[in-house]
Amino acid sequence: QSALTQPASVSGSPGQSITISCTGTSTDVGYYNFVSWFQQHPGKAPKLMIYDVSNRPSGVSNRFSGSKSGNTASLTISGLQAEDEADYYCNSYTISTTVVFGGGTKLTVL
Amino acid sequence: QVQLVESGGGLAEPGGSLSLSCAASGFTFSDNYMSWIRQAPGKGLEWVSYISSSSSFTNYADSVKGRFTISRDNAKNLLYLQMNNLRVEDTAVYYCAKVVGDSGSAGSFDHWGQGTLVTVSS
Repeated sequence: QSALTQPASVSGSPGQSITISCTGTSTDVGYYNFVSWFQQHPGKAPKLMIYDVSNRPSGVSNRFSGSKSGNTASLTISGLQAEDEADYYCNSYTISTTVVFGGGTKLTVL
Repeated sequence: QVQLVESGGGLAEPGGSLSLSCAASGFTFSDNYMSWIRQAPGKGLEWVSYISSSSSFTNYADSVKGRFTISRDNAKNLLYLQMNNLRVEDTAVYYCAKVVGDSGSAGSFDHWGQGTLVTVSS
């Protein structure tokens, strides 16, 4: 159950678009279309932003989108806003029917 | 609206035990997979365990397998985590979470509790 690989940090200016990658293996990200993305502000519980690679829960802004190619999933945030500054985590369901998270990415809005 | 409220956290000694509870409301508890996720201080999220809607299937992270037990009481809308043989590295905020109903993944957590802190120290 090795953690998925995410960049430690990304940054962007308001209005720009950024992409956060999440790299796994053929037994997790590459096996199923079951990748989720979560946003976590300091001291708060995580919030689901994307599930099943590209599905947005009700109430989540359409500025957030997800995709996957091979063993790497991506979260794209367009029209970056100050309130998007947070930690972002991906996870994936695995061939072993377990769940594995990425190490997290700190997004800084410049 | 959906509410998940964890309780039972606190201080335990290495080798000791703690039992966490999560009270659910605002949705049909018996229809959904549920899960526990933890976050050590200043660290990332770590999946701990999940349980199917009827309790017929459970799974655990390797780090807790054989020491933690997940269970649920659908009549009382309660989720539990029994933690035995605790280690210092189990120190974390423990969240209970509801799994998205229309996802095939047990990792799509659409609602989270506020978390309960478990500290393991001598």
